[in-house]
Amino acid sequence: GIQVEQSPPDLILQEGANSTLRCNFSDSVNNLQWFHQNPWGQLINLFYIPSGTKQNGRLSATTVATERYSLLYISSSQTTDSGVYFCAVVASGGSYIPTFGRGTSLIVHP
Amino acid sequence: NAGVTQTPKFRILKIGQSMTLQCAQDMNHNYMYWYRQDPGMGLKLIYYSVGAGITDKGEVPNGYNVSRSTTEDFPLRLELAAPSQTSVYFCASSYSGYNEQFFGPGTRLTVL
Repeated sequence: GIQVEQSPPDLILQEGANSTLRCNFSDSVNNLQWFHQNPWGQLINLFYIPSGTKQNGRLSATTVATERYSLLYISSSQTTDSGVYFCAVVASGGSYIPTFGRGTSLIVHP
Repeated sequence: NAGVTQTPKFRILKIGQSMTLQCAQDMNHNYMYWYRQDPGMGLKLIYYSVGAGITDKGEVPNGYNVSRSTTEDFPLRLELAAPSQTSVYFCASSYSGYNEQFFGPGTRLTVL
């Protein structure tokens, strides 16, 4: 099946810093999402982005489907950005089964 | 819209007991999913459904059963609970397999 790798596995930032999280996938995809799991365990939808670029406030994401990667940018980080960021993909070809990466754990210190 | 709802939020089971985790969605989504998340890990798919009356196994189906009699509901049944089933269980739904997934708040299950 499709492989999803996220990097870095862990990230520690000071408030106000910028960061880039990466998601590599091993096959073509029809669906790619970024989620934020907050410290209370809730999974929050950030972006549905199988291709192209989107922005939402301080967060933006870019997926280059032909090169099989997606990037999540966090600018001017805040302590509320802490948590785990997951990338999830659905491979092209009809399986419809989402595959999640192992996540990037982000801690933002005040 | 309530989105995806799950009950209960927390539950402690003894080894060998059974229980049903409830999941419902009010978005008229065709696809529904059950995942488990072990501490410090990503999500693993247990079962999924592409519509009422249709279910299929995911990556880790052993020890679980599901049914999908309506579009809205997708209960997960644990038979003979084991400590290895201690986890957080998430239900999710989407309009199709290629559309955005939405998650419920999760059920934290401990088996002692």
